[in-house]
Amino acid sequence: DAGVIQSPRHEVTEMGQEVTLRCKPISGHDYLFWYRQTMMRGLELLIYFNNNVPIDDSGMPEDRFSAKMPNASFSTLKIQPSEPRDSAVYFCASTSGAYNEQFFGPGTRLTVL
Amino acid sequence: DQQVKQNSPSLSVQEGRISILNCDYTNSMFDYFLWYKKYPAEGPTFLISISSIKDKNEDGRFTVFLNKSAKHLSLHIVPSQPGDSAVYFCAARSIQGAQKLVFGQGTRLTINP
Repeated sequence: DAGVIQSPRHEVTEMGQEVTLRCKPISGHDYLFWYRQTMMRGLELLIYFNNNVPIDDSGMPEDRFSAKMPNASFSTLKIQPSEPRDSAVYFCASTSGAYNEQFFGPGTRLTVL
Repeated sequence: DQQVKQNSPSLSVQEGRISILNCDYTNSMFDYFLWYKKYPAEGPTFLISISSIKDKNEDGRFTVFLNKSAKHLSLHIVPSQPGDSAVYFCAARSIQGAQKLVFGQGTRLTINP
């Protein structure tokens, strides 16, 4: 079975550019989560969806960040404009009510120069 | 505020000995706790969990202990093996939070041969 799929795996961009990260959750999962990993804060929840509806976006750093889930099999996290402090690894995870744990994708390593 | 804290950024243990990773939390509404393991360039993977109605859960070489009065949990790995070298994240779920998890900062475990 395919796990959570994220693309791209690596992204290098210049400050001020728009960045779009993509995620395909595990089929049948109705929860999708976006995290950012940093040394200081560990795994920080940015936003999560249930049945494609955003439930909690209190972790989104600022208006430069936005996330969408147009259907059950696809989500995007967009940063516009990007800044060097956005450099981090971004993870997508999915789950359903049948599980206690979340299932993570391999992550996207973002570098903003 | 950091509701889940892992105060040791790193830990080094001799192969064959016991590894003990610690985690503290502040939210009394947390009712389920998980440990995740993360290798470089991969997403976190679920390792072991414990419900708040228990004080111990064991799975092979891995045991998680929960002390609710102290709001403290620990992960014991016995015996430690070189393949256990990874970053370990503690996570907690609230009764009110549906499938949302709150993660700690992570502890990097190195097993020395």
